[in-house]
Amino acid sequence: EDQVTQSPEALRLQEGESSSLNCSYTVSGLRGLFWYRQDPGKGPEFLFTLYSAGEEKEKERLKATLTKKESFLHITAPKPEDSATYLCAVQAGGGNKLVFGAGTILRVKS
Amino acid sequence: KAGVTQTPRYLIKTRGQQVTLSCSPISGHRSVSWYQQTPGQGLQFLFEYFSETQRNKGNFPGRFSGRQFSNSRSEMNVSTLELGDSALYLCASSLAELVQPQHFGDGTRLSIL
Repeated sequence: EDQVTQSPEALRLQEGESSSLNCSYTVSGLRGLFWYRQDPGKGPEFLFTLYSAGEEKEKERLKATLTKKESFLHITAPKPEDSATYLCAVQAGGGNKLVFGAGTILRVKS
Repeated sequence: KAGVTQTPRYLIKTRGQQVTLSCSPISGHRSVSWYQQTPGQGLQFLFEYFSETQRNKGNFPGRFSGRQFSNSRSEMNVSTLELGDSALYLCASSLAELVQPQHFGDGTRLSIL
């Protein structure tokens, strides 16, 4: 059974304090790994897709990396507006089914 | 470009009733998936439709069903509602069945009394 585990469950940072979120996965035949951001009362907002080990994607203060067993979301010099729940999901097998991790709640204080 | 639209945003029902939720995908997107989000279980896959055909189904009872229309709009139905069905129901659309990012709507918040 496909499984996704995210750590930590919650993370508090001071503005400007860089850190990383972890997503470890166990799947048969990974087709893609996705990072989403979810704000309270909203649906998940797509951030990145990673397809193969060694791949990296960047967007503003966020950088996602992928190995054969895990992915990291690096947040450089975060701002309060980066506060959200960050979700990791994997797509394996046929179709578009995503298996999600439980998420990391990020709080950035000014 | 309009995003994924879900209606209604909020619903309150009582046990035993049934409910229908609607999802309009991003224009041009043919794949629509539904997810249930609860504090205890997180985001769980319900089912996926592509070209009016159900392609995948998650591990939910038969009370949960869905369909997709020729214009790619989708509906999901839950019959004989139970207290445990209270959740945020999210719809996501993508371009095709290949590995493409899914874009989510803001969901329908269903509360069962």
